[in-house]
Amino acid sequence: GIQVEQSPPDLILQEGANSTLRCNFSDSVNNLQWFHQNPWGQLINLFYIPSGTKQNGRLSATTVATERYSLLYISSSQTTDSGVYFCAVELATNFGNEKLTFGTGTRLTIIP
Amino acid sequence: GAVVSQHPSRVICKSGTSVKIECRSLDFQATTMFWYRQFPKQSLMLMATSNEGSKATYEQGVEKDKFLINHASLTLSTLTVTSAHPEDSSFYICSARVWGVTYEQYFGPGTRLTVT
Repeated sequence: GIQVEQSPPDLILQEGANSTLRCNFSDSVNNLQWFHQNPWGQLINLFYIPSGTKQNGRLSATTVATERYSLLYISSSQTTDSGVYFCAVELATNFGNEKLTFGTGTRLTIIP
Repeated sequence: GAVVSQHPSRVICKSGTSVKIECRSLDFQATTMFWYRQFPKQSLMLMATSNEGSKATYEQGVEKDKFLINHASLTLSTLTVTSAHPEDSSFYICSARVWGVTYEQYFGPGTRLTVT
């Protein structure tokens, strides 16, 4: 099956700092999503980004599909950004059996 | 838009009993719903995929007789954990999407199951 690796596994930053989270995947995908899992367990959709670049406020994401990686940028971090960030991908050749495979996650802690 | 709800949010049951978890898409019709399980400090693992009106497709290693899934309508899927045991204690999360419109999945808030 497809492999999805995220780095770094843990990140501790001071409030106001910027960060870059990386997601590498092993095969062609037709879906890539970034999520933030808050302390209560809710997965919040950040980006649906199988390719290209998107921005939403302090967050932006870029997926380079041909090189099989995606980056999530968080600028001017706030304590509410703390939590676990997951990327998840869906194999492009899995027609009829579409499913997301989740990465291992990056645990982000923002210190006031 | 694209809101998915789950009920209950938290449940404690005794070993040997069955528990039903509901997953609803509130503002869209979900042709496909997914059920995931997450253990503490781990990632999400897909358990099964259910399409409205047909049998669920289970991932390898997931017991279909233990985890019964019903997707009776375009807005409701249920997961029943039968004869629950302490090792079934986990965080169960559902997701939903509209096939053919986008591949994006929308997730419910999760159900924390504790079996005593």
